[in-house]
Amino acid sequence: GAVVSQHPSRVICKSGTSVKIECRSLDFQATTMFWYRQFPKKSLMLMATSNEGSKATYEQGVEKDKFLINHASLTLSTLTVTSAHPEDSSFYICSATPGGDEQFFGPGTRLTVL
Amino acid sequence: SQKIEQNSEALNIQEGKTATLTCNYTNYSPAYLQWYRQDPGRGPVFLLLIRENEKEKRKERLKVTFDTTLKQSLFHITASQPADSATYLCALRWRGGYQKVTFGTGTKLQVIP
Repeated sequence: GAVVSQHPSRVICKSGTSVKIECRSLDFQATTMFWYRQFPKKSLMLMATSNEGSKATYEQGVEKDKFLINHASLTLSTLTVTSAHPEDSSFYICSATPGGDEQFFGPGTRLTVL
Repeated sequence: SQKIEQNSEALNIQEGKTATLTCNYTNYSPAYLQWYRQDPGRGPVFLLLIRENEKEKRKERLKVTFDTTLKQSLFHITASQPADSATYLCALRWRGGYQKVTFGTGTKLQVIP
């Protein structure tokens, strides 16, 4: 149980385009989902916290107009990187929690912006 | 500001020995501390959680200690195996930081056969 999926696992796009990443909790309802990014050999940096049906809470320094988060249902959250640039290339990971202390992480999405 | 340090960026250990990883934090007190395993190109996998009022937790070959006076957690893998090779991350949830956790930079463990 407690499986979180992400789609796509890898995406390559041209500079200036937008990319949508999906995060799904497959066997539980996620009251809260988190989005992280991770650069090579670096730790996970929290980007935003999203609760179903409400606006996401962004961490300091994260542009909310650049990284659009929609938590439309208790099993789905999406992250859209708008007008992507090469510096947005990173490993994006989501996690979901049913409400307890434990977070369940997705497998991650590798974004490469050319 | 809150700061988490995992002392060793990399740790090599002989198969069968006990691997010990360190996580130190400064300033604020955490409500609990977690340890995760991350394999290359994958998301973290939860291993253990220890709360501020607990000193030690065990799960099979894994043991975590938590010393709030030293502001330190130790993560032990006994009888280490090559399959234990991965990056191990500690993560802290600060009091009042509703479900939000902050991750350390990780220690890459290599178990040598």
